Amino acid sequence: DIQMTQSPSSLSASVGDRVTITCRASQGISNYLAWFQQKPGKAPKSLIYAASSLQSGVPSKFSGSGSGTDFTLTISSLQPEDFATYYCQQYSIYPRTFGQGTKVEIK
Amino acid sequence: QVRLVESGGGVVQPGRSLRLSCTASGFTFSIYGMHWVRQAPGKGLEWVAIIWYDGSHQDYADSVKGRFSISRDNSKNTLYLQMHSLRAEDTAVYYCAKESRGYSGYDPDNIGSWGQGTLVTVSS
Repeated sequence: DIQMTQSPSSLSASVGDRVTITCRASQGISNYLAWFQQKPGKAPKSLIYAASSLQSGVPSKFSGSGSGTDFTLTISSLQPEDFATYYCQQYSIYPRTFGQGTKVEIK
Repeated sequence: QVRLVESGGGVVQPGRSLRLSCTASGFTFSIYGMHWVRQAPGKGLEWVAIIWYDGSHQDYADSVKGRFSISRDNSKNTLYLQMHSLRAEDTAVYYCAKESRGYSGYDPDNIGSWGQGTLVTVSS
């Protein structure tokens, strides 16, 4: 199975900060990488697919990059509604594995 | 507008069975691959299973292989997860999820939409 490792596991940031989360795959997955946002008690929301393509309706402050084994999710200017847990997932091969999550908290 | 509504969750004893359903609306269900993803209390997301748009292929996480079975009825716009030999560690919110593109099949596709989830508690 492909292991997905996110870092950091949690971070504290202020409104307006630029935030970057990394996701590393244990083997190459080309660009078959998605990012999801989840707020407490809510279903996940799809943000990014194919490593860098925004899902419809997702604001452009979210961006993704990477290919192969190393990927990043960047939030350009953190807003109160962005405080949440973010997950990466590879969809290159089965089983489709998720990272352990990165919790973004208010500083 | 895509709508996915899970049902069938509840409290079940260890070793028993349970079937979850996910009723889809707002899109052409029969052309999209569908997934089940679960989340244990206070834990991260765990992918459970996939079924292709036409039901011709299924795949499972190692943790549920041989115990869970994913299926679909395209005439009823409904996805199912049949769970047998349930264990305490299967306790979780179970989400159904829809892929983004139609007719993906062998071409890997990402999850684009999620249901609200249904809670399964395995306890004596």
